[in-house]
Amino acid sequence: GQQLNQSPQSMFIQEGEDVSMNCTSSSIFNTWLWYKQDPGEGPVLLIALYKAGELTSNGRLTAQFGITRKDSFLNISASIPSDVGIYFCAGQLGYNTDKLIFGTGTRLQVFP
Amino acid sequence: GAGVSQSPSNKVTEKGKDVELRCDPISGHTALYWYRQSLGQGLEFLIYFQGNSAPDKSGLPSDRFSAERTGGSVSTLTIQRTQQEDSAVYLCASRASRQGRYTFGSGTRLTVV
Repeated sequence: GQQLNQSPQSMFIQEGEDVSMNCTSSSIFNTWLWYKQDPGEGPVLLIALYKAGELTSNGRLTAQFGITRKDSFLNISASIPSDVGIYFCAGQLGYNTDKLIFGTGTRLQVFP
Repeated sequence: GAGVSQSPSNKVTEKGKDVELRCDPISGHTALYWYRQSLGQGLEFLIYFQGNSAPDKSGLPSDRFSAERTGGSVSTLTIQRTQQEDSAVYLCASRASRQGRYTFGSGTRLTVV
């Protein structure tokens, strides 16, 4: 199935460091979403972006909807051990089903 | 219920057997989605329900896969004659409306041996 290009695939960082990950697509999306998935759980929504150029924060998380509507990034500042998990971007086309197209994921490991 | 509930949480089956996976969405959520997550991969769309009808089945990988939804609530994903490549986590999500947020269940981990 169709998936978005997400990078990096994995990151190993020290507690307190900042993290950045991004997604790119050949298709235009009307909505970009960022999810976090813990082991054995379903993805949980972190941030939703609805307009091109939009910059949104949620605590230590900041995400932007690219101006071309084909990309998005997520930043995590001052990482803590509980940030460990897999982060997924998802694009929403906004047609009949509004189904989500997911990125391949970024696995984040934080060392104390 | 408070969240999306999926059962079983784990299923091991022999190649060639049929399996049924169940999803109980949040009460009142009209839209229901099934996704598949293979090891180390992102989520892959399978099928979407609006009420009891499925306007988008485009993600079902073969005719061995089918799904139904009854009473605008519970949905069952059936895989016939399972193959080893069907091994994955099958996730269900529901949302109240086209403007609503997705809520995912914890998934069913299917292993075909």
